[in-house]
Formats: sequence, C-alpha cells, structure tokens
Amino acid sequence: QKEVEQNSGPLSVPEGAIASLNCTYSDRGSQSFFWYRQYSGKSPELIMSIYSNGDKEDGRFTAQLNKASQYVSLLIRDSQPSDSATYLCAVISTSGTYKYIFGTGTRLKVLA
Amino acid sequence: GAGVSQSPSNKVTEKGKDVELRCDPISGHTALYWYRQRLGQGLEFLIYFQGNSAPDKSGLPSDRFSAERTGESVSTLTIQRTQQEDSAVYLCASSSAWFNSNQPQHFGDGTRLSIL
Repeated sequence: QKEVEQNSGPLSVPEGAIASLNCTYSDRGSQSFFWYRQYSGKSPELIMSIYSNGDKEDGRFTAQLNKASQYVSLLIRDSQPSDSATYLCAVISTSGTYKYIFGTGTRLKVLA
Repeated sequence: GAGVSQSPSNKVTEKGKDVELRCDPISGHTALYWYRQRLGQGLEFLIYFQGNSAPDKSGLPSDRFSAERTGESVSTLTIQRTQQEDSAVYLCASSSAWFNSNQPQHFGDGTRLSIL
C-alpha cells in the first residue's frame, strides 16, 4: 500500500460543476495535510492546509479531513477551466522518522 | 527574495558531465527539500535538510548524486557523470520548521535539466 494514494485521473467535470478530489493515507498518526495545485510545466503551489477533522473552506475550495477513515478530500465549487491542473495531496507522517509525503496527483480537466 | 529561488532555470549538458543546481530558500526557513520530477510523473523525494544537516538522504538515486547546504541558507545539488535518465525537473522547497510539524512546503520554479 502506498503511503499516500490518489486516483491519477483524469477527472473531467463540466464548467460550473463541483470537482471532488480524494486522497487516502496509511499512517494513522499523521496530523498535517496539504493540497497543492500544479499547472503543466510549473511547480506545485499550496492551495489548502488542514489539520483537524471536518471541513475547511477558502473561497471556492473546501478541504475535508476524516482521520478515522484516513482520507482527505478537496472540493472545488463552480469549477473553471483555469482550475484544470494536477492536484497533489501531501501528508506529514511522524511515525518513525518525520516525513513529508506527496501523492502522485490527480489530473483535473474542467470542460468549457 | 520573497520566494524560493532556483538556478539555473534550464540546463542542457552532455552525458558524462557534472552539473550543480542551486536553491536559495525563503529567508528564515530551516527545512529544505529536493525533489525530482520526470515528465508526466509525480514528485520523487531526493533529500531533506534541517539546517545544514541531512536527516534523510534516502531518496538520492545513486552515489552520483550529492547535496550540501550552508547553514540555513543556500543548498546545492550535484550530479556527477550525468546520464540521460537524469533528465528531469529538479524542484527545491523550503518550510519554516520541521519540529513544528504543521508547516507547508513552498516550492521554487525548478531547474529543467536535459542530458544530451
């Protein structure tokens, strides 16, 4: 089992719809979770961080964390073509040595 | 500067040559990370620095790869006797502290390395 797993996609949604991106992680002791967006040919940029169970909203983005089920998700409301990118989930694992682990990313395509 | 700075932005070199990639982290950031990203692939962790020590070198692919960091400042990633499979984008990231474990990483724009 990979430490951080994401569906590679592509996930295609129509413009204006809600895009739902999911991530599962294996280290039950993980405490810190991040979502990054990476446009083609660019470096990853941080869009959300979440540390507590529940939802965290920032504009059109909502991060959801469920530590009991070991998943974190990102919802993008009113999706725009400019949201088309690869979304990377990252988890800080503290079991054993401290590790910052990235998933391989989900490619999102928002269709105009 | 305000962000993580990497140089050069692009590097083309012949197979067998040595290359040195530079990363200047955000001022005050104690943790620094190097990643490799091949075309269409995910991030491959290479090495992590806390200050100028490297607690985790587990990702370095071979002994041709080495990295060093001066204090809590600039880091260089050196690849000796480059091979074509070393062609990739090399990304550097920094964060403000590792023991305060909720700090995100911030990435530079990367160095695109092409081995002919």
